[in-house]
Amino acid sequence: ETGVTQTPRHLVMGMTNKKSLKCEQHLGHNAMYWYKQSAKKPLELMFVYNFKEQTENNSVPSRFSPECPNSSHLFLHLHTLQPEDSALYLCASSSFGSGVTGELFFGEGSRLTVL
Amino acid sequence: KQEVTQIPAALSVPEGENLVLNCSFTDSAIYNLQWFRQDPGKGLTSLLLIQSSQREQTSGRLNASLDKSSGRSTLYIAASQPGDSATYLCAVKHSGSRLTFGEGTQLTVNP
Repeated sequence: ETGVTQTPRHLVMGMTNKKSLKCEQHLGHNAMYWYKQSAKKPLELMFVYNFKEQTENNSVPSRFSPECPNSSHLFLHLHTLQPEDSALYLCASSSFGSGVTGELFFGEGSRLTVL
Repeated sequence: KQEVTQIPAALSVPEGENLVLNCSFTDSAIYNLQWFRQDPGKGLTSLLLIQSSQREQTSGRLNASLDKSSGRSTLYIAASQPGDSATYLCAVKHSGSRLTFGEGTQLTVNP
């Protein structure tokens, strides 16, 4: 148990569906991240939020829409996805700012399959 | 652009062997380097975090070193066990909150 919980763990959706991934952290961190992990590729940073504000968008297509209502919760809204978007989506959190280690803690991931 | 390379891509060893995993990065201006373990279909588990001012960190049978000037880190695993079988990833933190990951080393420890 890393203190970062992701739901659902598995999701199958069609290209016209709308779904959301949820992440919750119980570590008191102020930064949250979405990463994408595809087969045979390094982890790709998608979005970063610090104190609920988006600080990084790594050129992610608009069919992925993040939402961070508070420092403990992060969502990834999915709409009109493509089969190549099938991957493991990982949420992470860390403390951010001077005087902190910045160690990253990950959730178990949401395995997404787009048909 | 920061690039992180891990060698070897895969490694298979008999139980009890000591082993070294390598990680290299192209830009030495890093804040820290973190080693993770990932089991199949699971998330990443943090193993060791080395700040840019540190040379090494130890946790149990694991020891990670950092040579920032040469852009290298090693993860040493002593007395390997079948339960150590997993993919090991290194990641460097640079330019604010951005982490760059290597592609990982897939380790198999045979009983």
